[in-house]
Amino acid sequence: EAGVAQSPRYKIIEKRQSVAFWCNPISGHATLYWYQQILGQGPKLLIQFQNNGVVDDSQLPKDRFSAERLKGVDSTLKIQPAKLEDSAVYLCASSSLGLAGLGELFFGEGSRLTVL
Amino acid sequence: GQNIDQPTEMTATEGAIVQINCTYQTSGFNGLFWYQQHAGEAPTFLSYNVLDGLEEKGRFSSFLSRSKGYSYLLLKELQMKDSASYLCAVNPPTNDYKLSFGAGTTVTVRA
Repeated sequence: EAGVAQSPRYKIIEKRQSVAFWCNPISGHATLYWYQQILGQGPKLLIQFQNNGVVDDSQLPKDRFSAERLKGVDSTLKIQPAKLEDSAVYLCASSSLGLAGLGELFFGEGSRLTVL
Repeated sequence: GQNIDQPTEMTATEGAIVQINCTYQTSGFNGLFWYQQHAGEAPTFLSYNVLDGLEEKGRFSSFLSRSKGYSYLLLKELQMKDSASYLCAVNPPTNDYKLSFGAGTTVTVRA
């Protein structure tokens, strides 16, 4: 079974530039999450999708971050303009919510963003 | 909200046992996950406790006490490959697996 795919793995940009990350979840997983993990910290939820609808984006800094999940499969997370404090690993995860298995989150390898 | 605490670092010798504690104060609770994260890699699922008690899975065991807001992950017969960060995460009462993570405990296994 293919896992969660993310790209790019690494990205270096200057502050005020924009960046976009892509995620393809595990086939059949209706729920998709974006987490931000700053070095030395645990992952912090940014947004949760159920199919192509947003369930929770209360932690998403909407003045600069946006995310979409068109057609309920792939998702993109965009940052515009980037700030130094956005330097982090952006993890995408998907889940079956217990419909298959325990409902645990399956994570992609992440996209490491460095803002200079 | 969620307040999840775990030690920052632990060091142990190959072949030994290490216990990683996690305490939480939450506005609601529907189970606790443990994840393993090697440096530069994605977190991978280890265990999920919903009910009180001990869940054993090979060299790894996880314990939960809901009344005390406490869990631990027990790693037995430590191997060098167990050097990683271990994250505990709480599943909220909505049961939508919108996990809140602790900061993680970095375990270093020495020969």
